[in-house]
Amino acid sequence: KNEVEQSPQNLTAQEGEFITINCSYSVGISALHWLQQHPGGGIVSLFMLSSGKKKHGRLIATINIQEKHSSLHITASHPRDSAVYICAVNYGQNFVFGPGTRLSVLP
Amino acid sequence: EAGVAQSPRYKIIEKRQSVAFWCNPISGHATLYWYQQILGQGPKLLIQFQNNGVVDDSQLPKDRFSAERLKGVDSTLKIQPAKLEDSAVYLCASSFQTRRGQETQYFGPGTRLLVL
Repeated sequence: KNEVEQSPQNLTAQEGEFITINCSYSVGISALHWLQQHPGGGIVSLFMLSSGKKKHGRLIATINIQEKHSSLHITASHPRDSAVYICAVNYGQNFVFGPGTRLSVLP
Repeated sequence: EAGVAQSPRYKIIEKRQSVAFWCNPISGHATLYWYQQILGQGPKLLIQFQNNGVVDDSQLPKDRFSAERLKGVDSTLKIQPAKLEDSAVYLCASSFQTRRGQETQYFGPGTRLLVL
């Protein structure tokens, strides 16, 4: 069974700050996903990674397969980035979610 | 491309009542998932379908929860009878597999259930 952990659990930042959210998992995977969930429940897929680094706008996601660790970075954070960020992994036919990191960006 | 559709968006019922949720996945996606997300936690897989067959229902409380995907497209999830602890957001997702065997899941907006 793959255990997915995230840190921090909650994060409050001032607008403009650089933010990092971490994810670690226990068993080898085929892919890792970063998801964003806004109040109201809808989930949007931000990134799918199997190696290296991806960038989309102000969001950057990295993964280190050997260390079983991934990070999501937000540059120049904005109040609209306030959401729960969830890390999820594919292994075999399984899909396991982390508990999420609740981010609040204050103006 | 239309996304994953779910209905209703919100439902309030009393304990011991029954409730049903509906999901219409993205066209062509063979795999469909139902997740339960309790406030403050990540989603928990309830059941996974591949076309109209069940791949994994190990975490589905089968004494009260049931799900079907009869024609391999739409799916319904039912709770009968509901308990207070069933209050949660029920998320439906569908996915396709890339040539490298990786999955991308697309989520519906969820149904928020409150059991009183």
